[in-house]
Amino acid sequence: EVQLVESGGGLVQPGGSLRLSCAASGISVTSTYMTWVRQAPGKGLEWVSVLYHGGLTYYADSVKGRFSISRDSFNNTLYLQMTSLRAEDTAVYYCAKGPYSNGWYGLDYWGQGTLVTVSS
Amino acid sequence: EIVLTQSPGTLSLSPGERATLSCRASQHVTTTYLGWYQQKPGQAPRLLIYGTSTRATGIPDRFSGSGSGTDFTLTISRLEPEDFAVYYCHQYGISPWTFGQGTKVEIK
Repeated sequence: EVQLVESGGGLVQPGGSLRLSCAASGISVTSTYMTWVRQAPGKGLEWVSVLYHGGLTYYADSVKGRFSISRDSFNNTLYLQMTSLRAEDTAVYYCAKGPYSNGWYGLDYWGQGTLVTVSS
Repeated sequence: EIVLTQSPGTLSLSPGERATLSCRASQHVTTTYLGWYQQKPGQAPRLLIYGTSTRATGIPDRFSGSGSGTDFTLTISRLEPEDFAVYYCHQYGISPWTFGQGTKVEIK
C-alpha cells in the first residue's frame, strides 16, 4: 500500500525558511515523478514543483529561485526546501506521487498535507 | 503558461441528476496529460480520471471524462450523496503544470 506522510509545516516569519518532508512507503521516490501541490486557505490547488525520477526539477514561477525540491533515496523521502518565505506562501502543502510512474497516470497518491503559515 | 478555466463555478444539483463539468484550456493539451480530481472539505484531493478518459483505480463508472484539444469534460451520470465536492482539472503536459480553479458541486 502506498503511503505519503508530510511533515515540517508550521509558523514562520516572512523572509524565513522551512523544509518540508514527505516520507514514502510502498513506492520508491527515485522510481517515479514526485510532485508538490499547495492550497492556500479557501482557495484552489496550485502546482508547486516536480522531481523527475531521472533528477530533473521544475518549479512554478511563483516559487522559482526560492524553493528547492530534492529526495533522499536512503530514507525514501521527498523534500521541499523553502526560503525567503512570503505571506502568499501560506498554504497546505501536499506531496503526491506522479504524474509519471512507468506511464502517465496522474497524481494517483497524495499525502494528508502539512500547513505552512507565514506571518509575523 | 496554460490557463485552465472551469465552468460553471458552482453547480447546484439533486442526487440522481447528471453533472457536466467543463475545463477549457488556453492552449492545446494532449489528452495523455489531462486529469480530474475530487476534493472534499478537510481532505486531500483524490484522482478520478487521468489521460482525459481513464478512470483511476476504484473510481465508479458513473464518472467519465472526455474531450480533446482545448475542451474537456467530466461527467457524473447520476449524482450520489458522496459526490458533492469540488472538482479540479489538471494539465501536466507543459510546464508549468496548472490546475483549473475548481467547480463546486453542491446539493440543490
